[in-house]
Amino acid sequence: GAGVSQSPSNKVTEKGKDVELRCDPISGHTALYWYRQSLGQGLEFLIYFQGNSAPDKSGLPSDRFSAERTGGSVSTLTIQRTQQEDSAVYLCASSLRGGSPNTEAFFGQGTRLTVV
Amino acid sequence: EDQVTQSPEALRLQEGESSSLNCSYTVSGLRGLFWYRQDPGKGPEFLFTLYSAGEEKEKERLKATLTKKESFLHITAPKPEDSATYLCAVQIQGAQKLVFGQGTRLTINP
Repeated sequence: GAGVSQSPSNKVTEKGKDVELRCDPISGHTALYWYRQSLGQGLEFLIYFQGNSAPDKSGLPSDRFSAERTGGSVSTLTIQRTQQEDSAVYLCASSLRGGSPNTEAFFGQGTRLTVV
Repeated sequence: EDQVTQSPEALRLQEGESSSLNCSYTVSGLRGLFWYRQDPGKGPEFLFTLYSAGEEKEKERLKATLTKKESFLHITAPKPEDSATYLCAVQIQGAQKLVFGQGTRLTINP
């Protein structure tokens, strides 16, 4: 596709349920990022994937959060046993490659998660 | 601790009134500084990357500059369609993640 695609665009879930958020990066981009944007807050880094390397999970806020990237392309962010404080917009970004010049990241539209 | 601070938090201008947005940063080593524009309900849209002090980049009414401690986004003769939140982010040497500031919410009144 032409840009980073995220689905669903909106998700309302009950507290305690698990949710899966999907990201389709730009074709050919080897680096993929997940960020979280809470109301009135800046973007918070969650996790980074680069090719087949081990992901940088240093931003995941708890062990309820996990992410995988299959075949170096599509990524899924999973939140288990959701809590109200998980409500936020989850943004995915991809870039041509990490760790070198011209690594500008292009963002998707985000998934707005509301935990009720 | 690596930190990015943007000011002001919000700015209202009249159409045609030029101004500047500030992004100051404290990092162990800068790999790159990025400016993004974000419209309500949308993801950030890439604008510029700056890599070294003294570098400048321009796009339409926007010009970004970089020093060793801060970056400015200058907006010349803005139009209402320039209204958005402008985000600054830094990429640190040896790391891949972007560290974002809180953003400046810019409103241009016709």
